[in-house]
Amino acid sequence: DAGITQSPRHKVTETGTPVTLRCHQTENHRYMYWYRQDPGHGLRLIHYSYGVKDTDKGEVSDGYSVSRSKTEDFLLTLESATSSQTSVYFCASLGPQQETQYFGPGTRLLVL
Amino acid sequence: GIQVEQSPPDLILQEGANSTLRCNFSDSVNNLQWFHQNPWGQLINLFYIPSGTKQNGRLSATTVATERYSLLYISSSQTTDSGVYFCAVDLTTSGTYKYIFGTGTRLKVLA
Repeated sequence: DAGITQSPRHKVTETGTPVTLRCHQTENHRYMYWYRQDPGHGLRLIHYSYGVKDTDKGEVSDGYSVSRSKTEDFLLTLESATSSQTSVYFCASLGPQQETQYFGPGTRLLVL
Repeated sequence: GIQVEQSPPDLILQEGANSTLRCNFSDSVNNLQWFHQNPWGQLINLFYIPSGTKQNGRLSATTVATERYSLLYISSSQTTDSGVYFCAVDLTTSGTYKYIFGTGTRLKVLA
């Protein structure tokens, strides 16, 4: 267990508002990821980071931005939330051998 | 684009039965992992297996990279094996560790 926490765990927000989700890991892992999980789609990569201030887009990055100012924190921002962004968001980090991804508990987001 | 397909999509077993889950991918594998998502949503890594065979208790996995598939075997299934099983692949050769997940196999084990 890599000690990954996510906050908040649940959030309800309104369309058009900005939302920031936080992922925190205590293992000094270099690579971190944000995924969303929706029925019928499995997990889809939103953005990932390969070091402090180093990020890249995943397959569903539109409407999302990320920041990584410290190794332990990876923030996901929905710039202007839409109902299509209602989902469960998972953060993960990749272990030091680049073999095993460790996942946080998830954040359930509802955009009304 | 890159395709990762899992089969079957759904599986129902009686406790004690064995099962095989399959993951097909459309390009050469750099990394491949199997995960279990339990009914409470927690995702747990089962295997890192870009090639070859590994075993961990009642679970084992085999990846035949040249034929672009991986298999997850569950023997003597238990109700705690219920949940969704995902494979995830990194198909890039540049070491970006950027993973694509399959859509999963939902397993239900009946007591």
